[in-house]
Amino acid sequence: NAGVTQTPKFRVLKTGQSMTLLCAQDMNHEYMYWYRQDPGMGLRLIHYSVGEGTTAKGEVPDGYNVSRLKKQNFLLGLESAAPSQTSVYFCASSYPQGGRHNSPLHFGNGTRLTVT
Amino acid sequence: AQSVTQLGSHVSVSEGALVLLRCNYSSSVPPYLFWYVQYPNQGLQLLLKYTSAATLVKGINGFEAEFKKSETSFHLTKPSAHMRDAAEYFCAVSEGSGTYKYIFGTGTRLKVLA
Repeated sequence: NAGVTQTPKFRVLKTGQSMTLLCAQDMNHEYMYWYRQDPGMGLRLIHYSVGEGTTAKGEVPDGYNVSRLKKQNFLLGLESAAPSQTSVYFCASSYPQGGRHNSPLHFGNGTRLTVT
Repeated sequence: AQSVTQLGSHVSVSEGALVLLRCNYSSSVPPYLFWYVQYPNQGLQLLLKYTSAATLVKGINGFEAEFKKSETSFHLTKPSAHMRDAAEYFCAVSEGSGTYKYIFGTGTRLKVLA
């Protein structure tokens, strides 16, 4: 049971470069999320998706784009990386039962991104 | 708007001592509350969740938490700390429907002293 898989695990970018982080889940979950984790700031929501073909902005969406072309995949893109985007990125998924968000998030192991 | 406050970014306890990690929430509707644990270089794992069925919630690894509406709190406890409990702990809140968002606290790093 793979759960939530993130690739790559590590990446170093130069300022201005672009990249895509891939998240895949095999639990048939409807909802998927991208968070970034920075010291002392907890997890902050970047973008989320409530179903295939739909995405929405979270707390800190600037500089990121997302796509959910298939239910099992949620991609996070950085078009022009900046040092402020140095962070650990986590993907998560959940299956809201009866439309209620009482089901927990399932997390991947994260992608550590450094932008120089 | 919902929010979560975790008091104490770092907590140290001796092995065998009581663990108490504090979480207070703000929500305009009855919330769903969660505690997660993060070990080094890993993602977050669910410890326990409150979904209105019972105010005292038991989780994995001997942890439990009590929902107190009057105090808007959901503190995490464990009677006797073990070295393997050293990790970072996050409290999170969801308003249950409509918002689709889970809001996290800033985390508390637990250190267990031998």
